[in-house]
Amino acid sequence: EIVLTQSPDTLSLSPGERATLSCRASQSVSSSYLAWYQQNPGQAPRLLIYGSSSRATGIPDRFSGSGSGTDFTLTISRLEPEDFAVYYCQQYGTSPETFGQGTKVEIK
Amino acid sequence: QLQLQESGPGLVKPSETLSLTCTVSGGSVARTGYYWGWIRQPPGKGLEWIGKIYHGGSTYYNSSLKSRIAMSVDTSKNQFSLKLSSVTAADTAVYYCARQYGGFFDYWGQGTLVTVSS
Repeated sequence: EIVLTQSPDTLSLSPGERATLSCRASQSVSSSYLAWYQQNPGQAPRLLIYGSSSRATGIPDRFSGSGSGTDFTLTISRLEPEDFAVYYCQQYGTSPETFGQGTKVEIK
Repeated sequence: QLQLQESGPGLVKPSETLSLTCTVSGGSVARTGYYWGWIRQPPGKGLEWIGKIYHGGSTYYNSSLKSRIAMSVDTSKNQFSLKLSSVTAADTAVYYCARQYGGFFDYWGQGTLVTVSS
C-alpha cells in the first residue's frame, strides 16, 4: 500500500500567516488522485481539496493544493482563526485508499 | 443537502461482532457513480479506510481487515451497513460512514464511538 508521510507533525503559526503543509507518498500517486481534509476536535473530517488542486464546494480560495507524483502541498495563504485544526492528506489512486498521519496547525 | 448518520452499539465485547448502519438522507444510495464507505479513527490517532460498497453490492475492503469485514446495502431503506467480526481492543475507534466519489470522501457522517471492552 502507498504510505503517506505528512510534515511537519505540528505547525505553530499566528493568524494571518501563511501555512505550508507537505504530504509525501512512498510511490507515485496515480493521476494526482490526492485529497486534503480538515478536522476539528470532535468533528468529522471535511473535504478541502481533491485531484491534488481542485477545491471542494464552499471551500475558501485561501486554501490551495499543488503537486504531483510523490510530493504534494496544501497552502493556506492567510490563516483565519477557524483554520487552526488537523489536516490529513489521502491518496485514492491505488487501493487501499490511505491517509497521512496528519499535521496539526496550532496557534503560536 | 446530503446527510449521513451512523447508528449502532457503542460498546462491544471482545471476540464479538461490531455492527453499524449508516442512514442516508437528502440523496439516494442507488445514485450511479458513488460508493459508500467506512473509515475509522482510534482515539487520538489518524484515519483508516475500512472499505466501500456500491449500490449493486460490489465491495472493496482494506486487505488488513478483509477477513473480518462484511458490508451490505439496502436501497429500500437508503442504508448501508458494516459488520466487523472477532473484535479486539484495537478496534476501538470512532467509525465514520461517508460518500466516496472517485475515491475521495465528500460527505461524512458525524461518527460514532465504538468501544471494545468486556
